[in-house]
Amino acid sequence: DQQVKQNSPSLSVQEGRISILNCDYTNSMFDYFLWYKKYPAEGPTFLISISSIKDKNEDGRFTVFLNKSAKHLSLHIVPSQPGDSAVYFCAARGFQKLVFGTGTRLLVSP
Amino acid sequence: EAGVVQSPRYKIIEKKQPVAFWCNPISGHNTLYWYLQNLGQGPELLIRYENEEAVDDSQLPKDRFSAERLKGVDSTLKIQPAELGDSAVYLCASSSSGVNTGELFFGEGSRLTVL
Repeated sequence: DQQVKQNSPSLSVQEGRISILNCDYTNSMFDYFLWYKKYPAEGPTFLISISSIKDKNEDGRFTVFLNKSAKHLSLHIVPSQPGDSAVYFCAARGFQKLVFGTGTRLLVSP
Repeated sequence: EAGVVQSPRYKIIEKKQPVAFWCNPISGHNTLYWYLQNLGQGPELLIRYENEEAVDDSQLPKDRFSAERLKGVDSTLKIQPAELGDSAVYLCASSSSGVNTGELFFGEGSRLTVL
């Protein structure tokens, strides 16, 4: 039973456009949601997070939106840059541990 | 500030052989995690330590996997004997209990190939 789902394995976007990565979850007890970015042969690095009591958090080009009623969150990257090309993992915190999605590979072309 | 350090980065062994992975967390981080990442999947928790105590090892296959965190700092994850299906990346992460955002800091991982 996968509690955190990323249904799009890949996404291709042109430089300068918006990238939207989606994530769905099933457990209403999750209290924090995080996005991690992973380059090949490196460990995941933290990107941005949002508390379950908020619906939006912004950090520079990155914005995360949370829709609790739909159990859905999304990461918006505006404008997208070629250096953003990586695998993005959505994660949810419950009971002091993170549950990760399967990841979405983002490719930003020049 | 140094990040989470893992070794070895790569390990190739034959099935039924033992293997061990080492992790040094960020200084001052009292929580340490071992995650398993299979190809095309997200990381999955194996074990979580609070200082030297394993507080969540429900996903650790205890028949062949073991872990320890002596003195509440470095940690070692061992597999004995290794099976073909153990080929994966083993990620170590740490966090500070004073930070309530859920953010974990990951090492670069140890990639295991079992032949």
